[in-house]
Amino acid sequence: DTAVSQTPKYLVTQMGNDKSIKCEQNLGHDTMYWYKQDSKKFLKIMFSYNNKELIINETVPNRFSPKSPDKAHLNLHINSLELGDSAVYFCASSPERGYGGYTFGSGTRLTVV
Amino acid sequence: SQQGEEDPQALSIQEGENATMNCSYKTSINNLQWYRQNSGRGLVHLILIRSNEREKHSGRLRVTLDTSKKSSSLLITASRAADTASYFCATDAGTALIFGKGTTLSVSS
Repeated sequence: DTAVSQTPKYLVTQMGNDKSIKCEQNLGHDTMYWYKQDSKKFLKIMFSYNNKELIINETVPNRFSPKSPDKAHLNLHINSLELGDSAVYFCASSPERGYGGYTFGSGTRLTVV
Repeated sequence: SQQGEEDPQALSIQEGENATMNCSYKTSINNLQWYRQNSGRGLVHLILIRSNEREKHSGRLRVTLDTSKKSSSLLITASRAADTASYFCATDAGTALIFGKGTTLSVSS
């Protein structure tokens, strides 16, 4: 059973389009995250939700909007895609903060052309 | 903002040798974690060390933490070709994990 699953795995789209990435975890964790990994492998936190409530919202363009319908799901919607949005986006989940490691999904490689 | 900084950026060794990676960070932390990322895959949690711990072992992994120097090291003993991956340290200061830039380890047989 996949613990944290993301779909799609690959996403190629044109500039200006709107796209969504879905994430689901079956670990019973309360906290979920979105990270962005650039071409130099640098990972940056974007958002964090705890039990459906937004708790971290880093400096991210407001074209990015997370949505958590329940504590097992955290989706990422991106409006008006730009070339600079091309990256790998990772979803992760964790138990109560400070008490365990994160479990990451396998990533969504977004390419904007 | 970036918290951890790994050193070296890249490391090439032969199978059977030990690999040591270092991580420095800037602020007080609750814990520090190490992750592995194989090419094209997600990150895998390796080990967590709390701020009141100095050393921790897990299989062939040994992690040390020096909070006075704000630094940590990851030692992989008796490396195998399968250890080839990028390794990241990540600090937990109470919000979300902040990752360093990673060390790319290449183990040749």
